[in-house]
Amino acid sequence: EVQLVESGGGLVKPGGSLRLSCAVSGFTFSSYNMNWVRQAPGKGLEWVSSISNSGSYIYYADSVKGRFTISRDNAKNSLYLQMTSLRAEDTAVYYCARSAPFVDYGGKTYYYFDYWGQGTLVTVSS
Amino acid sequence: EIVMTQSPATLSVSPGERATLSCRASQSVSSNLAWYQQKPGQAPRLLIYGASTRATGIPARFSGSGSGTEFTLTISSLQSEDFAVYYCQQYNNWPKTFGQGTKVEIK
Repeated sequence: EVQLVESGGGLVKPGGSLRLSCAVSGFTFSSYNMNWVRQAPGKGLEWVSSISNSGSYIYYADSVKGRFTISRDNAKNSLYLQMTSLRAEDTAVYYCARSAPFVDYGGKTYYYFDYWGQGTLVTVSS
Repeated sequence: EIVMTQSPATLSVSPGERATLSCRASQSVSSNLAWYQQKPGQAPRLLIYGASTRATGIPARFSGSGSGTEFTLTISSLQSEDFAVYYCQQYNNWPKTFGQGTKVEIK
């Protein structure tokens, strides 16, 4: 059974830092790209960051670029999100999600999110 | 950035009725569109990918259609467990953007 379990959330002051973790099981972690997606209270979903299976390719939303760092440890089956210079608008539930491949008619591969963890709440407040 | 617009914001439907949700992309995303269901306090669950392919374990009453910029999620006969918020997402371009969601509520 595929499982993704986030941890590390909590209350932090503006300007502070926090490191989120996502422990996975039930699949070969090193074969999959991974992602972080967040959801502010009462709001919709916002993609935050993605990392390729080897860690060679990394992408960030403009809203977090330069402040957040995604990483992974394939030996530990874990995904991470280091968050610095936190702002009130970063307050959200943070989900980790696995990418699954979709090959289009032209043979190009795209990635959607097939499994999600239950999320961890990050609250940025003084 | 591709903007995804969902309509309506809220859909009131009686159990057993058909629900039709729309999603429009600001530019073509080909068939690289997914639908997710989210219930209160839960993580999103994948329903549809590739615009029309049901994910593993998703009942046949859920169907997706469309390509390019116009997409539809249809729930043929609403069950009590289907009342939730539904999001579309394009994964054709970076950043991978979501619609604002459609809440399907009991009429």
